[in-house]
Amino acid sequence: DAMVIQNPRYQVTQFGKPVTLSCSQTLNHNVMYWYQQKSSQAPKLLFHYYDKDFNNEADTPDNFQSRRPNTSFCFLDIRSPGLGDAAMYLCATSRRTIGSTEAFFGQGTRLTVV
Amino acid sequence: SQELEQSPQSLIVQEGKNLTINCTSSKTLYGLYWYKQKYGEGLIFLMMLQKGGEEKSHEKITAKLDEKKQQSSLHITASQPSHAGIYLCGAGGSSNTGKLIFGQGTTLQVKP
Repeated sequence: DAMVIQNPRYQVTQFGKPVTLSCSQTLNHNVMYWYQQKSSQAPKLLFHYYDKDFNNEADTPDNFQSRRPNTSFCFLDIRSPGLGDAAMYLCATSRRTIGSTEAFFGQGTRLTVV
Repeated sequence: SQELEQSPQSLIVQEGKNLTINCTSSKTLYGLYWYKQKYGEGLIFLMMLQKGGEEKSHEKITAKLDEKKQQSSLHITASQPSHAGIYLCGAGGSSNTGKLIFGQGTTLQVKP
């Protein structure tokens, strides 16, 4: 059974139209991550939550925001998507501090901006 | 900040051949992860290494973490078409924030 679930798998949005991607987990993990992966590139960490503590990467554009209303759910909000935001968005979870346990990934949401 | 560099970036091998992928870190590794990704899908966990000199195997895939904990290698023995995909090494930093970063990935093609 899937433990990290991302919805939708494919999302098409219009240029400048706000879009929200969702991630849910059944693992009760403390940490949830959002990564952006463009074609032929490594996943790039956008931000992560350690419980309720939000950690934003320095180079994450202001256009990207996140919410974690409870342990199980985390959302990625893109306020005004541009063509350059088209990518695969990956959600992951891990227990406590990475380095002692692996991270589990969802199947990803592929975002297309038209 | 920590950076991970993988080599080679891409690899094409004949089925049955052995191959090695390397991952080098700019800083000491505290937990090194190997993941596999099929195109358009999420990451599948392969192995985690924590201790210098540690070696783990799963089926025909073996991963090692060197003694100095700044480099890891992933070795596939007798490659099969099912091994094709993108292999990514990932690492957590020494701080207690849960941050996980990745190398740029190695794309493997296995020719039947």
